[in-house]
Amino acid sequence: GAVVSQHPSWVICKSGTSVKIECRSLDFQATTMFWYRQFPKQSLMLMATSNEGSKATYEQGVEKDKFLINHASLTLSTLTVTSAHPEDSSFYICSAEYGQANYGYTFGSGTRLTVV
Amino acid sequence: AQSVTQPDIHITVSEGASLELRCNYSYGATPYLFWYVQSPGQGLQLLLKYFSGDTLVQGIKGFEAEFKRSQSSFNLRKPSVHWSDAAEYFCAVGGSGNTGKLIFGQGTTLQVKP
Repeated sequence: GAVVSQHPSWVICKSGTSVKIECRSLDFQATTMFWYRQFPKQSLMLMATSNEGSKATYEQGVEKDKFLINHASLTLSTLTVTSAHPEDSSFYICSAEYGQANYGYTFGSGTRLTVV
Repeated sequence: AQSVTQPDIHITVSEGASLELRCNYSYGATPYLFWYVQSPGQGLQLLLKYFSGDTLVQGIKGFEAEFKRSQSSFNLRKPSVHWSDAAEYFCAVGGSGNTGKLIFGQGTTLQVKP
């Protein structure tokens, strides 16, 4: 149980285009989802907290207009990287909270974004 | 400030040997502590977590971790390492009042020698 599916697993796009990454909770409802970014050989940095039906909460230094987050249903959150540039190339991972608060966070398998 | 430190960036052990990965945290309230494992290009898998109670926590794949409040540590251990344990390990801390945000350590890369 508590499975999160993330798609696509990898994507290559041209500079200036937008890319959408989906994060779905398959067997539970996720009121809250989280989006992380991971640079090679580095740790995960929280980008934003996505709450169903409301605006996402972004961490300091994360550009809201570049990283658009939508959490329109209890099972789906999306991250759209707008006008992507090579410096946006990274590994993006979502996670969802299941059970009561802090009882568990399950992670998606991640999306490798390469902007050329 | 809240933080997690994993002092060892890279560790190499022989297959069958014991393993200990260190994790120190700084957190103002009672911490909720986690260990995750990540294989290359993959997401994170939860190994174990500590919220309260017994300070020695058993996890999956034969891992265990001990919470030591006096040392602000939550070290991960395994008595006998298998080659399939080679991966990146992350320690993370969160709290009940933190609305679910996790703070991750820098990670420790485990290499297993045959």
